[in-house]
Amino acid sequence: AQSVTQLGSHVSVSEGALVLLRCNYSSSVPPYLFWYVQYPNQGLQLLLKYTSAATLVKGINGFEAEFKKSETSFHLTKPSAHMSDAAEYFCAVSEPRGSQGNLIFGKGTKLSVKP
Amino acid sequence: NAGVTQTPKFQVLKTGQSMTLQCAQDMNHEYMSWYRQDPGMGLRLIHYSVGAGITDQGEVPNGYNVSRSTTEDFPLRLLSAAPSQTSVYFCASAVRSSGNTIYFGEGSWLTVV
Repeated sequence: AQSVTQLGSHVSVSEGALVLLRCNYSSSVPPYLFWYVQYPNQGLQLLLKYTSAATLVKGINGFEAEFKKSETSFHLTKPSAHMSDAAEYFCAVSEPRGSQGNLIFGKGTKLSVKP
Repeated sequence: NAGVTQTPKFQVLKTGQSMTLQCAQDMNHEYMSWYRQDPGMGLRLIHYSVGAGITDQGEVPNGYNVSRSTTEDFPLRLLSAAPSQTSVYFCASAVRSSGNTIYFGEGSWLTVV
């Protein structure tokens, strides 16, 4: 069965510092991988996704993630944090076949940005 | 461009009451689903549908019913509400095929007392 592990339920960075949110997956085949962001009291918005094309994926708001099959990881990074990046971030996985597109989510990481 | 629309946004129920959370999408998406979000648990799939007349269970289906009579609508019914169903519920839709972006509604906050 697929699973997603997000290391660190809370991450705090200073404005302008590097953002690194960690995601590891467990899947028998290379999956499709997603990062979603959720601002307070709102729904989820797609940041970026990996669907077996380029392993370095660029998303919205300056975020990017790299698929590393050998490490079963899909960590999210942003070179310089902004106050507006404070939100909860979810990593999710789906299998290329047979899953109907259903997503399995990690438990989320809350990002705080200090001035 | 409405996207995925959920109603109501907030609801308080008494234990044992029933209610329906409505979900509609205007993107002609075949795939629709319901997730619940609980603190520290991420989102968990309740039910999903890959087209009108087709539904299936997700990870946490107990206590919930769904139907899909049209492409646009995918209501979630709580048959007899329990405090354990206090949660935030999200409806989502996508073009049918794995790997496509899943679009989420704004959420419905449900409290069962």
